[in-house]
Amino acid sequence: EAGVAQSPRYKIIEKRQSVAFWCNPISGHATLYWYQQILGQGPKLLIQFQNNGVVDDSQLPKDRFSAERLKGVDSTLKIQPAKLEDSAVYLCASSSPQTGEFDNEQFFGPGTRLTVL
Amino acid sequence: QKEVEQNSGPLSVPEGAIASLNCTYSDRGSQSFFWYRQYSGKSPELIMFIYSNGDKEDGRFTAQLNKASQYVSLLIRDSQPSDSATYLCAVKRLIFGTGTRLQVFP
Repeated sequence: EAGVAQSPRYKIIEKRQSVAFWCNPISGHATLYWYQQILGQGPKLLIQFQNNGVVDDSQLPKDRFSAERLKGVDSTLKIQPAKLEDSAVYLCASSSPQTGEFDNEQFFGPGTRLTVL
Repeated sequence: QKEVEQNSGPLSVPEGAIASLNCTYSDRGSQSFFWYRQYSGKSPELIMFIYSNGDKEDGRFTAQLNKASQYVSLLIRDSQPSDSATYLCAVKRLIFGTGTRLQVFP
């Protein structure tokens, strides 16, 4: 079974520029998450999708961040304009609401490391 | 007060010893608790989850939950150098602590 795919793996931009990240979840997974992980910290949930609807975006800085999941499969996360404090790893994860012991397991992608100069 | 608190470490233990990792949480209504392992430069991977008070064992790993004390821990028996990583506690699956860095030395 293929895992969660993310691209690009690395991105370096200057502040005030725009950037977009792409995520392809595990096939059949209805739930998709975007996390921000700053160095030395745990992942922070930015947004959670169930199919193509938003479940939780309470921690998404909506003045500069946006995310969409058209057709309930792939998702993009955009930052416009970027700030220095946006430097972090952006993790995408997916899960499938199934019965059983691991019905809440999230599978993480490799992440995109963003550096804002 | 942070929702999920962990000591950042590093916690250093010799090979073969028991490593004890601790986590406290603030939301008394939390029902589900997860431990993830994250190697440097890699993504988190789930080790264990626990929903009920008491102990849950899986191989060399034991998760312990005490809801009255709002405390969850992870014990790693017979620690190996390959266990050296950051261990993240997550509550309600989506709220992560800062992680504890574990170093197992030969």
